[in-house]
Amino acid sequence: QKEVEQDPGPLSVPEGAIVSLNCTYSNSAFQYFMWYRQYSRKGPELLMYTYSSGNKEDGRFTAQVDKSSKYISLFIRDSQPSDSATYLCAMSANNYGQNFVFGPGTRLSVLP
Amino acid sequence: EPEVTQTPSHQVTQMGQEVILRCVPISNHLYFYWYRQILGQKVEFLVSFYNNEISEKSEIFDDQFSVERPDGSNFTLKIRSTKLEDSAMYFCASSGPYNEQFFGPGTRLTVL
Repeated sequence: QKEVEQDPGPLSVPEGAIVSLNCTYSNSAFQYFMWYRQYSRKGPELLMYTYSSGNKEDGRFTAQVDKSSKYISLFIRDSQPSDSATYLCAMSANNYGQNFVFGPGTRLSVLP
Repeated sequence: EPEVTQTPSHQVTQMGQEVILRCVPISNHLYFYWYRQILGQKVEFLVSFYNNEISEKSEIFDDQFSVERPDGSNFTLKIRSTKLEDSAMYFCASSGPYNEQFFGPGTRLTVL
């Protein structure tokens, strides 16, 4: 079993739709969970940073963590064509200076 | 807004040559990282650096790789003798006391 798994997509949705992106993981030591957005041939851009289980909202983005199921989600409300990118989940066990383990990414296309 | 910068944006080299990739992390950050992403694949951790020494490294980071912080602002990755399979995007990242890692735009390394 891979350490972090994501559906690679591509996921195509119409503009304005609610998008749900998900990751599963196997290492129960992970406590810190991040979502990054990556445009083609660019660096990952940090969207959300969460600790342990629960929800966190920031504008149109909501991150959810369910540690008991080893499952995290990112919801995008009112999706826009500019949201078209690859979304990467990443996670780590500690809060300082530890490398992230990334998922392979989900490619999202928001159609106008 | 502070950001991580990387130079060059694209480096082409011959197999067996040495390359140095340069990064300027966010100025008050304490932890520095190098990741790589082979085209179409996931982001992979190479090395983390704190307090002027390597704190963690992956299996990818073998004797051909080295990192250095030669002054108060730059953070470099050296590949001593490049191989074809070193062709990838190399991302530098930095974080403060909490593990929110901010990534640079990347250097695309092409080994011929």
